[in-house]
Amino acid sequence: EVQLVESGGGLVQPGRSMKLSCAASGFTFSNYGMAWVRQAPTKGLEWVATISYDGSSTYYRDSVKGRFTISRDNAKSTLYLQMNSLRSEDTATYYCTRVDYGPDYWGQGVMVTVSS
Amino acid sequence: DIQMTQSPSFLSASVGDRVTLSCKASQNINKYLAWYQQKLGEAPKLLIYNANSLQTGIPSRFSGSGSGTDFTLTISSLQPEDVATYFCLQHNSWWTFGGGTKLELK
Repeated sequence: EVQLVESGGGLVQPGRSMKLSCAASGFTFSNYGMAWVRQAPTKGLEWVATISYDGSSTYYRDSVKGRFTISRDNAKSTLYLQMNSLRSEDTATYYCTRVDYGPDYWGQGVMVTVSS
Repeated sequence: DIQMTQSPSFLSASVGDRVTLSCKASQNINKYLAWYQQKLGEAPKLLIYNANSLQTGIPSRFSGSGSGTDFTLTISSLQPEDVATYFCLQHNSWWTFGGGTKLELK
């Protein structure tokens, strides 16, 4: 059974940093691209970043370029999202997703609240 | 950027009804369209990929159709457990989600 479990969220002040993790199991992690998708409170879903199966290629939405870094450790079957210079508009639930014809499996999500 | 427009935003229907949800792309996305179901407090679940392919384990009352710019998700006979918000996603050029249709029981 495919499982994706996010961790690392919480309350953070504007301008500070936070790192999210996503532990994957139930499939061969190194065979799949992975992505982060977020959902602000009462809002729709928004793609954040994608990383290729081997980590050699990364892609970001414009609003997080230069502030967020997606990475992976295939030996640990873990996906990461390093978020720097956080803004109030980054407040959202962040979902880790496996990429196959778009996102197929999703984690339960982790809440990130950016507030002073 | 490709914009995805879903309609209606809210839909109220009765158990057993045939329900049709729409998703329109601002430009041609071929068949790179997926549908997701999201229940309150849960992660989205993939229902349909490549516009009309049913994801493994999803009941056959769900079906998808369309290509190019106009797409439809149909629930042939609405069940109580289908109460949820439904999102479409285009992955022809990056990813863009539709705004969602909230489906409720009448």
